[in-house]
Amino acid sequence: DTGVSQNPRHKITKRGQNVTFRCDPISEHNRLYWYRQTLGQGPEFLTYFQNEAQLEKSRLLSDRFSAERPKGSFSTLEIQRTEQGDSAMYLCASSRLGDSSYEQYFGPGTRLTVT
Amino acid sequence: KQEVTQIPAALSVPEGENLVLNCSFTDSAIYNLQWFRQDPGKGLTSLLLIQSSQREQTSGRLNASLDKSSGRSTLYIAASQPGDSATYLCAAGGATNKLIFGTGTLLAVQP
Repeated sequence: DTGVSQNPRHKITKRGQNVTFRCDPISEHNRLYWYRQTLGQGPEFLTYFQNEAQLEKSRLLSDRFSAERPKGSFSTLEIQRTEQGDSAMYLCASSRLGDSSYEQYFGPGTRLTVT
Repeated sequence: KQEVTQIPAALSVPEGENLVLNCSFTDSAIYNLQWFRQDPGKGLTSLLLIQSSQREQTSGRLNASLDKSSGRSTLYIAASQPGDSATYLCAAGGATNKLIFGTGTLLAVQP
């Protein structure tokens, strides 16, 4: 499978715990995006990377959230001191710089439930 | 600030009907407009992408149009089938290519 993969697919955690999600983009895609989707809403942009550089962060990304893409390949999204409001689907997408269509390809998402 | 709106929020049709889903956006300076399908609890499946220089794209029974000047896009589904039941999302891509999504249209096709 050469699509975008995300792990884990589901995560249940207690309030106050830290969680980390991983995204593996399509090979050779140098742009990687994180979005968050709550029930009944469309996805909202969180942050994006071009290679290993984090180029934009949404105001939704509080200081409890941190994202990395250390070698320009996979990315991790960490949430510290989780709150119930963090419960959502976290989606990752990738695209290829130089592709004139700028099409983004999405992974299956990680569903986070904070109890 | 880009805002994307989708109408209707929900739609129920009998099998075989042709239908149109609407998407509007406030900032016409977009790079592309993507339509996605989302099944319950799942990720997004890309259906069609229209680049800013294009007017429409077609794939099978799906046709998407784009009118930048009026800030509108439509997704036309011909001969709907129960398997088309899902949430349909449109998203506008801007200069940094981050996507701004609408809240979606929940489609139910009755057999």
